[in-house]
Amino acid sequence: DVKVTQSSRYLVKRTGEKVFLECVQDMDHENMFWYRQDPGLGLRLIYFSYDVKMKEKGDIPEGYSVSREKKERFSLILESASTNQTSMYLCASSLRLGRLSNYGYTFGSGTRLTVV
Amino acid sequence: EDQVTQSPEALRLQEGESSSLNCSYTVSGLRGLFWYRQDPGKGPEFLFTLYSAGEEKEKERLKATLTKKESFLHITAPKPEDSATYLCAPRGATNKLIFGTGTLLAVQP
Repeated sequence: DVKVTQSSRYLVKRTGEKVFLECVQDMDHENMFWYRQDPGLGLRLIYFSYDVKMKEKGDIPEGYSVSREKKERFSLILESASTNQTSMYLCASSLRLGRLSNYGYTFGSGTRLTVV
Repeated sequence: EDQVTQSPEALRLQEGESSSLNCSYTVSGLRGLFWYRQDPGKGPEFLFTLYSAGEEKEKERLKATLTKKESFLHITAPKPEDSATYLCAPRGATNKLIFGTGTLLAVQP
């Protein structure tokens, strides 16, 4: 069964800390995505990557960066965590852009991050 | 600008009471519309993909339909285990999915 695995289900961090959220997929997918999900706002795209070492900003990249050194791993970095970054973070992967996939994106289980 | 609106935001049904969820979209170059189910504290799980107006897909008590401007998720005789948030996501010319904010469905026994 295909999987997207996020390293932590719950995290509590202090304001100003540097935070790393890790995501690994075992489907050999080219594309990987990071979203945050907040009540009433839905899923908002932070960054995505369409290849190793390639990245593009999504709709809300401020305060975040990403790293993709290997095809299967996509990391989200909060450079200096703030309380307004408290949220559910979801990682997803898909086949490369331009290839039709019946399944769209495959999501991880999410990381609930609380910044205090 | 591509937009997706889901309604209602929340829906409470009695067990066995059928209803429909709506997903209205304005997307350039539609290349499929996806429905997902999301349980509390978990990531979305794939339900259906629809590619063209008039297409229908079914799975147990759920049936998804597509027109040129809307998609509906029909729930027939729902059970409490159908309680979840349902997300629709059309894919446009950029090939990225555009997510609605979802409909929170609660089915009471």
